[in-house]
Amino acid sequence: DADVTQTPRNRITKTGKRIMLECSQTKGHDRMYWYRQDPGLGLRLIYYSFDVKDINKGEISDGYSVSRQAQAKFSLSLESAIPNQTALYFCATSDPGQGTPGSYNEQFFGPGTRLTVL
Amino acid sequence: EDKVVQSPLSLVVHEGDTVTLNCSYEVTNFRSLLWYKQEKKAPTFLFMLTSSGIEKKSGRLSSILDKKELFSILNITATQTGDSAVYLCAVEGVGKIIFGKGTRLHILP
Repeated sequence: DADVTQTPRNRITKTGKRIMLECSQTKGHDRMYWYRQDPGLGLRLIYYSFDVKDINKGEISDGYSVSRQAQAKFSLSLESAIPNQTALYFCATSDPGQGTPGSYNEQFFGPGTRLTVL
Repeated sequence: EDKVVQSPLSLVVHEGDTVTLNCSYEVTNFRSLLWYKQEKKAPTFLFMLTSSGIEKKSGRLSSILDKKELFSILNITATQTGDSAVYLCAVEGVGKIIFGKGTRLHILP
C-alpha cells in the first residue's frame, strides 16, 4: 500500500463549488504539506503543518483552507473554486529527521490530485 | 524576492552521455537545498544538501552545493533512458520552501 494517499485522484468541478481534497499517510510523520503544480511554474507551497496543532500558510494560501484532523490526515479545501485553481495538487509528508529544527527535510509525495475547475 | 532558477529548462542527450543540471538561488535564511526527480506524477527525493563543498553521491548521480556562489549542480553520468524525467531543485529558508521550475531531461536510446 502507498505510504501517502490522496483522494480523489481526479476531479472536475464548476466555479463556485466547495471542494475538499484529502490526504492520508501511514509513514507516522508529523509534518504534512499541500502543494500545487502548474505547467511551467514548478511546485508552490499552499499550507503546511508541523504537527496536529500547527498550521501555517505557505506561498499561495489565498483561496484555500486546511484541516489537520489527525497526525495521519491533512485536508485541503477550496471554499469557492475558481478556474485559476485548476492544477495538479500534491500532498507530502516529512519527519524532523536530523536536520535543523523546523527544517522541511526530505519530503514524500502522494500521487497527486488533478483538479479542473470549469 | 526569493527565487530558485534552474537551467537548462530542457535537455536532450543520448544514452551514455554525462549531464550537468544547474540550480542557482536567492533565498533568505538558507537552510537546505533539495533535489527531486519527477517522472510521471509524484516527485521522489534524491539529495539534501546543507554544507558547501561536500559531494553527495548515489550511484550515477551526484550533487554538490556552493553556498558562497549560491548554486548547486546535479550530475548524472552514463545516462540511461530511465533517467528521463523532470529534475526539481528546492531551497528551504525559514518558514518557506521555494521550488525551481525544473529541468526536463530526455535521454535518447
